[in-house]
Amino acid sequence: GENVEQHPSTLSVQEGDSAVIKCTYSDSASNYFPWYKQELGKRPQLIIDIRSNVGEKKDQRIAVTLNKTAKHFSLHITETQPEDSAVYFCAALKKEYGNKLVFGAGTILRVKS
Amino acid sequence: SAVISQKPSRDICQRGTSLTIQCQVDSQVTMMFWYRQQPGQSLTLIATANQGSEATYESGFVIDKFPISRPNLTFSTLTVSNMSPEDSSIYLCSVDAFSTIYFGEGSWLTVV
Repeated sequence: GENVEQHPSTLSVQEGDSAVIKCTYSDSASNYFPWYKQELGKRPQLIIDIRSNVGEKKDQRIAVTLNKTAKHFSLHITETQPEDSAVYFCAALKKEYGNKLVFGAGTILRVKS
Repeated sequence: SAVISQKPSRDICQRGTSLTIQCQVDSQVTMMFWYRQQPGQSLTLIATANQGSEATYESGFVIDKFPISRPNLTFSTLTVSNMSPEDSSIYLCSVDAFSTIYFGEGSWLTVV
């Protein structure tokens, strides 16, 4: 089955700096890669996703890159702000019957002002 | 996007009791899922709720402990049976809608 590894487990950056979180996956058939942000006491919220037919996707300060050959994908947050502080989860999914998301362990991002 | 309502949002439960969590979606969806998030941990899939048939459970989860119902394409329930403190977690309903996975607001359960 699919296995997703996420690094780093914690990340502290200064406000205004960039943050990068990396994930690797094991199943080459996985074709959908979402990123979720979870604030304390709240549910995971989808912030960006990428499908296997695309190498990069950007939404304002957030971008995701996908390298299918190496089986890794990364979340990039530029110009970080204190409200970006949260736990971020990557996930991988094989789009077929029984679409099951497999999550990484999560990254605690702290943006220091 | 899909709007997913979960009840209860929070509960404190006595050990040995059972609690049923409800999940309602604002549109018909084929796939509904139940996840567990233990304190400080990532999300783990418990089972896929199939409409018209039994749920499909992941390794480590069994129907006797987590019975699931899926009576129609917009509703599902998860029961956490014979609870112990180890069951204290967030339980999240999830749907695959418009080729995207969305989560309900979660049910925070504390077992004492």
